[in-house]
Amino acid sequence: LAKTTQPISMDSYEGQEVNITCSHNNIATNDYITWYQQFPSQGPRFIIQGYKTKVTNEVASLFIPADRKSSTLSLPRVSLSDTAVYYCLVGDTRAGTASKLTFGTGTRLQVTL
Amino acid sequence: DTEVTQTPKHLVMGMTNKKSLKCEQHMGHRAMYWYKQKAKKPPELMFVYSYEKLSINESVPSRFSPECPNSSLLNLHLHALQPEDSALYLCASSQEGGRRNTGELFFGEGSRLTVL
Repeated sequence: LAKTTQPISMDSYEGQEVNITCSHNNIATNDYITWYQQFPSQGPRFIIQGYKTKVTNEVASLFIPADRKSSTLSLPRVSLSDTAVYYCLVGDTRAGTASKLTFGTGTRLQVTL
Repeated sequence: DTEVTQTPKHLVMGMTNKKSLKCEQHMGHRAMYWYKQKAKKPPELMFVYSYEKLSINESVPSRFSPECPNSSLLNLHLHALQPEDSALYLCASSQEGGRRNTGELFFGEGSRLTVL
């Protein structure tokens, strides 16, 4: 299983763009990169998933370089409500439960005015 | 319906009690999961059910006993727990297989367990 490394915490002001990088040096060929967001006392929530290059949805973008050994979650113009823990997971999610996903330590994002 | 419902939201039990946590989903997902999360730590995988069969047990102590009565329900039976078992217990579900399966996990809000 690919191990992930993220910064423990980040601070940002409201309205700024936030980029959270995840390192996954031993990512396998079939592995996808998935990001989850978790608020206190709630279950994690899926944000975005990608395999290579760039993926964008209505809440975030995911940048994956050609070697796929890292990825960057980009949150445009954050607000106070984006204060949460962000987890990067790497695994062969298309394989279903055959590939159990492990949550890394996550990045605690604090957004202030 | 994209919800995973967990009951109870809060549970306090003594070390000699027997209780159960329940999880329900109606998204047609055939994989269901139990995670344990301690404060300020990431969720830790405990069990995975695939098509109502236990497929992964992450060496969880036998005082935790999972059960999957049907494809929509997942239980976690608790017996003779220790105070260090106090945590947030999260249930999740996902599709199994299929070309469009992204492996996305849908989590419930969790059951906050306190063992006295």
